[in-house]
This record gives sequence, C-alpha cells and structure tokens, in this order.
Amino acid sequence: DIVMTQSPFSLAVSEGEMVTINCKSSQSLLSSGNQKNYLAWYQQKPGQSPKLLIYYASTRQSGVPDRFIGSGSGTDFTLTISDVQAEDLADYYCLQHYSYLTFGSGTKLEIK
Amino acid sequence: EVQLVESGGGLVQPGRSLKLSCVASGFTFSNYGMNWIRQAPGKGLEWVAYISSGSSYIYYAETVKGRFTISRDNAKNTLYLQMTSLRSEDTALYYCARQGIAAIPLDYWGQGVMVTVSS
Repeated sequence: DIVMTQSPFSLAVSEGEMVTINCKSSQSLLSSGNQKNYLAWYQQKPGQSPKLLIYYASTRQSGVPDRFIGSGSGTDFTLTISDVQAEDLADYYCLQHYSYLTFGSGTKLEIK
Repeated sequence: EVQLVESGGGLVQPGRSLKLSCVASGFTFSNYGMNWIRQAPGKGLEWVAYISSGSSYIYYAETVKGRFTISRDNAKNTLYLQMTSLRSEDTALYYCARQGIAAIPLDYWGQGVMVTVSS
C-alpha cells in the first residue's frame, strides 16, 4: 500500500502571506503511460465536505483561485497558497490515486 | 448541478449492521465510478470502497474488507454501502464521492451521513 506523509500538522499565518504544505509518497505516483502524477489536493472548510483543488499534481480544478498552486513529481509534492485569505481557513489533504486511494494525514491552516 | 445525498446513518450497537444510501442527481450516474470515504470525529479522511460505473470493478480498504459491501443501482441513481459486524472504530461521517472522468479523483462529494457504533 502507498503511504502518504503530509507536513506540517498545522500552521498559522497572517493574511497576505504564503504557505507551503508538503506531501511525500512511499512510491512514485508518476504514470509511465501518460507522464501524469496521480496526486490531488483537497480543501475542507469547517463543517463542510472536502473540495477538490488540484489534480494531476498541478492542474487546478475549475473555479479554484490561481493563488493555489500544486507542484512536484514522483514522490514529493507541494501545495502553495500565495496571498492567503481569511476564507482559506481549512484543513488541507493530499490524495494519491495511483493505486487505490490514500489520503495524507491533513494540515490545519489557521489565520492569525 | 451535481448533487449527492447520503442517508441511512444513525446509532447502532457493535456487531450489528447498517446500510447507507447515496442518491445522485445532476449527472449521468451510470457513467461514473463512485466511492465511499469516511472521517472519524476530529480525524482525517479515509477511503473505504470504490465501485466502477457498471459494477465490474470493486475495491475495499483493508480495514473494511469482508465486512462492508459496496453496490449500486444505476436505474435508481443510487449508491449503497452495506456495513456488517460494525465496530466502534467504524464510527465516522460517511461521504459518497464521484470519481471524475479521465482519472480525476473525487470531484464531487455529498454532505455526509453520521454512523455511530456504540452500546
């Protein structure tokens, strides 16, 4: 089974700052067939269902602001949120869908 | 508008059974794979099960294999999760989620239904 290690557990930033969330997989998520990384990022606001932000490691889902940026390949991935807004208060999860589905443990983003 | 509405949750004693339903609307249900995901109180997300559009492919997490059964009725636009031999650790909010096209994962989620396993 693929294990996803996500960090940090939590972070607190002020509005306008940038945050970086990391996710590391126990094996490569890069498909040799189509050269796509099977890694997605989700945002879960308090009391809500998760929302897809990024898929294929770096493709933003329709309607997602461009301050959300996914990067990385193989086993190491990053979600960067630039110019953090108060509305970005949420838990963030990475998800590998290369082999079945495995979520990272989550990162709680707090706004100072 | 895509909508997924779960139902069937509640309080159940350990060892008993419960069946969850998820009614889909706003898209052609029979064209999409579907998943169940759960979230224990205050915890992270855990994938539970997947079923392909025509029910040909079914996969389970090891934690529920042999106890839970995922199924679907495309004529009724409904996804099911039959849960048996329930344990306290199965206590969670259960979401149904659509598998997107072109391998895009979990693009739409329901609001979730709570299952509490306790004596």
